[in-house]
Amino acid sequence: DAKTTQPPSMDCAEGRAANLPCNHSTISGNEYVYWYRQIHSQGPQYIIHGLKNNETNEMASLIITEDRKSSTLILPHATLRDTAVYYCIVRVWWSGTYKYIFGTGTRLKVLA
Amino acid sequence: DADVTQTPRNRITKTGKRIMLECSQTKGHDRMYWYRQDPGLGLRLIYYSFDVKDINKGEISDGYSVSRQAQAKFSLSLESAIPNQTALYFCATSEPQGDAFFGQGTRLTVV
Repeated sequence: DAKTTQPPSMDCAEGRAANLPCNHSTISGNEYVYWYRQIHSQGPQYIIHGLKNNETNEMASLIITEDRKSSTLILPHATLRDTAVYYCIVRVWWSGTYKYIFGTGTRLKVLA
Repeated sequence: DADVTQTPRNRITKTGKRIMLECSQTKGHDRMYWYRQDPGLGLRLIYYSFDVKDINKGEISDGYSVSRQAQAKFSLSLESAIPNQTALYFCATSEPQGDAFFGQGTRLTVV
C-alpha cells in the first residue's frame, strides 16, 4: 500500500501561511491524495483532495508535484482555530472499496 | 445534528466483557466503515460495509464483529474485550466515489 510521511510537528504564526509537506513516493497513478485534520481527538474533518492538478477551496490549497511523489497543504492565513493534527492520506482501491491510508500526521500549532 | 453519530462517546469496560459501539448516519450513504486510532498512529480499517447485505473484513478485524442493521446503522462489537483494544474508534460513511465523513469518535478503555 502507498505510505505517507509527514513531519511530526510544526509551528506557524497566526495570520501567516502554514505549509504542511507530505511525501508519498509509492503512490500509484490513480490514487488520490487527501488531507484531513483532527481537532482534540474529534472525528477527522475533510479539507481537500487531488490527483494531479493543484486544487484550491475555501479552506486550503493543495500543491502536488509533477511526479506526484509529494504534496503540500497550504493554509493561507492560519488562525488559532487551525491548531490540529493534519493527516496526509492516500486513498487506494482495496478489496472492492476505497481505503484511506492515514499517515501519522503533523501536529500544527498556530501561535498568537 | 451531526451527519455521523457515534454512541457512546466514552466507555470504560473490564477485560472479558462484551461491548457494542453504535453508529448512525443521516447522509444516506450506502458505505460505512469502522476504524480504530491508537496514540501516535493513523487510522486503521476494522470492517466496512457496502450495504445491509454486504459486510467485509478490514485490515485488523480479529477480535471484532459488526452488524449492519439498516442503511443508516452500523454497529461494532467486541465479544470479549482485551486491554490492547483500548483505542479511539471512528465510524465513517461515504458514497462509492466520494469523500469519507467521520463521526466524533468513541474513546474505549479496557481495564
